[in-house]
Amino acid sequence: GAVVSQHPSRVICKSGTSVKIECRSLDFQATTMFWYRQFPKQSLMLMATSNEGSKATYEQGVEKDKFLINHASLTLSTLTVTSAHPEDSSFYICSAPAGGRMGGYTFGSGTRLTVV
Amino acid sequence: SQQGEEDPQALSIQEGENATMNCSYKTSINNLQWYRQNSGRGLVHLILIRSNEREKHSGRLRVTLDTSKKSSSLLITASRAADTASYFCATAVYNNNDMRFGAGTRLTVKP
Repeated sequence: GAVVSQHPSRVICKSGTSVKIECRSLDFQATTMFWYRQFPKQSLMLMATSNEGSKATYEQGVEKDKFLINHASLTLSTLTVTSAHPEDSSFYICSAPAGGRMGGYTFGSGTRLTVV
Repeated sequence: SQQGEEDPQALSIQEGENATMNCSYKTSINNLQWYRQNSGRGLVHLILIRSNEREKHSGRLRVTLDTSKKSSSLLITASRAADTASYFCATAVYNNNDMRFGAGTRLTVKP
């Protein structure tokens, strides 16, 4: 089935530095990738939608310059958290339409970001 | 913004019992999906039910959809300790490109 590989799974960085999170579709082409953020014991909040070869679409309230999204190929989408602050600490998850008979999305395993 | 709202927020049952989780939403939808998330992990797609469907089964899972009430339920029968996880409903208004998640139900199944 459709698999999305996300890494790193955990990252600790210092305030002010940038962190890149990668999501790769392993056995299918993902023209669209969705990026979510999840706080502890809360639901997923859609941050942005990346489309291969075009600019990402950001949800209201999400800073485009802070959360840089690039979808340069049909199998790779990246989220870069720039000038990270402790309040950016969160769980970030990507997903792509799984297609096929079952429908639904396939999700990456998530990245736990801690900014110290 | 969130679309679906699950209840209960937390549910604790004994192994072997059935678990029922409900999801309500506000706008018309194309489909509704249920996902499972183990603590600190990604989500696993469980089942998708389209707006013209009323009930679907998958193994021990049974999902219903009532579009007139804008609600869905997920029933897990004969629960197991391994079913302990958070369960989320997600609604898609147009072809999955704007899926929104509910707050989730944290299910604990005691052995």
